Amino acid sequence: GAVVSQHPSWVICKSGTSVKIECRSLDFQATTMFWYRQFPKQSLMLMATSNEGSKATYEQGVEKDKFLINHASLTLSTLTVTSAHPEDSSFYICSARGFGLAGVYEQYFGPGTRLTVT
Amino acid sequence: AQSVTQLDSQVPVFEEAPVELRCNYSSSVSVYLFWYVQYPNQGLQLLLKYLSGSTLVKGINGFEAEFNKSQTSFHLRKPSVHISDTAEYFCAVSETTNTGNQFYFGTGTSLTVIP
Repeated sequence: GAVVSQHPSWVICKSGTSVKIECRSLDFQATTMFWYRQFPKQSLMLMATSNEGSKATYEQGVEKDKFLINHASLTLSTLTVTSAHPEDSSFYICSARGFGLAGVYEQYFGPGTRLTVT
Repeated sequence: AQSVTQLDSQVPVFEEAPVELRCNYSSSVSVYLFWYVQYPNQGLQLLLKYLSGSTLVKGINGFEAEFNKSQTSFHLRKPSVHISDTAEYFCAVSETTNTGNQFYFGTGTSLTVIP
């Protein structure tokens, strides 16, 4: 099946610094990628949707200047958490949409990145 | 927009007993249905999916789910659980719109298998 990777899997940073998380579709072209945030014991919350070569669409309440998303190619999207604060500590999961074997578009999820801001 | 309801936030069950995790969604218009499992500190793993065809879908690890259009439900079942099934389970609905597919997640059900 389709594979989506994320790097790093775990990152600790100091408050005020910026952190970049990469999401790659390894064996298919993803025209659309999604970024989710998950707090402990909670479900996934969609942060933004990015289409290759265009600006990301952010969900209501998500600060676009704080969570910078770049989708420069069909296999790579990055999420940069700028000036991170402890409240940004969370599990970030990316997802890529590709044309699956069943002939429909399916979403494939990355393994997640745990961000801890001290 | 869809809403996905997982009625039970926590389900404790004894090892080797059957289990059913419930999922209901708000609209049955052009939807695909998924169940994912998440182990601690890991991403989502697809258990099974319904795209079309038979309403009974079999997935990995002995799980199955049945799509019931009239009741807008997609309950997950396993006849005999193992300790290793302890995890968080998410139901998800993908709705086809003019701009593509929109994914909606339920709030999750924490399954705890008791030895």
